Amino acid sequence: NAGVTQTPKFQVLKTGQSMTLQCAQDMNHEYMSWYRQDPGMGLRLIHYSVGAGITDQGEVPNGYNVSRSTTEDFPLRLLSAAPSQTSVYFCASSQWTSGKEQYFGPGTRLTVT
Amino acid sequence: DAKTTQPNSMESNEEEPVHLPCNHSTISGTDYIHWYRQLPSQGPEYVIHGLTSNVNNRMASLAIAEDRKSSTLILHRATLRDAAVYYCIFSTDKLIFGTGTRLQVFP
Repeated sequence: NAGVTQTPKFQVLKTGQSMTLQCAQDMNHEYMSWYRQDPGMGLRLIHYSVGAGITDQGEVPNGYNVSRSTTEDFPLRLLSAAPSQTSVYFCASSQWTSGKEQYFGPGTRLTVT
Repeated sequence: DAKTTQPNSMESNEEEPVHLPCNHSTISGTDYIHWYRQLPSQGPEYVIHGLTSNVNNRMASLAIAEDRKSSTLILHRATLRDAAVYYCIFSTDKLIFGTGTRLQVFP
């Protein structure tokens, strides 16, 4: 098992550019989510999905889109990057049952200039 | 949104027990209490979770108050590797993180 993988590890964008952060898991988990973590802060939930074809907004969804066409993949799209989106992005997955352990990826460090 | 209250920081010496408190006064009957920790420059990792009864695993113990409005994560013998930010979260499904407790461990 590779667990939760994220690509790229690092990315620099200019303001206004768009890009997609990739997240994949090989544990057949129904639940996947995206968080962002600003320097010195806790994690904030962006979007989450409870299965293929089902997504919902978290605490800070503005400026981001997600889709879930397969169980394994949950990409996060930045539509028009802004400096305020400079952050570390973490993807996580778990079984979709109450109280299940979430597994986190290693993160993508994004800088928007 | 689910809110917990944790001290901003705590300190411990190596090989001493550490008790990390958390208040979650608005917890509902179906919410689990989760603890995660985040080591520097890494993603969060699961520590332990429970619903009503105290729980033990190889990493830690979780003591849950009878009214479930508070809990304590217990590290029985702190090591330098336990220095991290510890997050207490209560939820039925999605995890909403607070700011956590930064634990420093001194040799």
